[in-house]
Amino acid sequence: DAGVTQSPTHLIKTRGQQVTLRCSPKSGHDTVSWYQQALGQGPQFIFQYYEEEERQRGNFPDRFSGHQFPNYSSELNVNALLLGDSALYLCASSLAQGADGPEAFFGQGTRLTVV
Amino acid sequence: AQSVSQHNHHVILSEAASLELGCNYSYGGTVNLFWYVQYPGQHLQLLLKYFSGDPLVKGIKGFEAEFIKSKFSFNLRKPSVQWSDTAEYFCAMNADDYKLSFGAGTTVTVRA
Repeated sequence: DAGVTQSPTHLIKTRGQQVTLRCSPKSGHDTVSWYQQALGQGPQFIFQYYEEEERQRGNFPDRFSGHQFPNYSSELNVNALLLGDSALYLCASSLAQGADGPEAFFGQGTRLTVV
Repeated sequence: AQSVSQHNHHVILSEAASLELGCNYSYGGTVNLFWYVQYPGQHLQLLLKYFSGDPLVKGIKGFEAEFIKSKFSFNLRKPSVQWSDTAEYFCAMNADDYKLSFGAGTTVTVRA
């Protein structure tokens, strides 16, 4: 049973550029959430996608956008990169109507470095 | 607003010692509570969760946590740690929405 997979694992970008990160959810899951984890901090919620729509959004600027595809995979896009966007970006998948409630399974993350 | 605070930033202890990590949350309503662990180089994994019922929950690898509603706390415990428990531990909550709110994490170093 495949877990949550993210690509790429590492990425270096220059300020002002745009980046796209990808996530495939755990088999059977229909909901994808994205989190940003800065060094020494806990993950911060960016947004969640369900049925190809953004269902909830955290306190992140519009430079952060996303998409969910019919196969439930998802992309996170960040435009006009800033140095402060350097972080580990985590994807988490879950089942919207799961019997175990809102239990999320995490991928290994994409380490983004902005120079 | 939801928030989670973890009391210790870094804990160092010897093998066989007991471990307790503090976690407090801020929210006035019903919550779901979680402890996640991140071993070096690995992804976040769920240790245990509390949704309702018995406030003492048992998780994987001998960990347990107790939900004390009056104290807004959900402390993690393990009676005897092993070197392999060296990791970062995150407390998280979920309330009347879809997101998980995480604490800043506690780094646990177990010396052999």
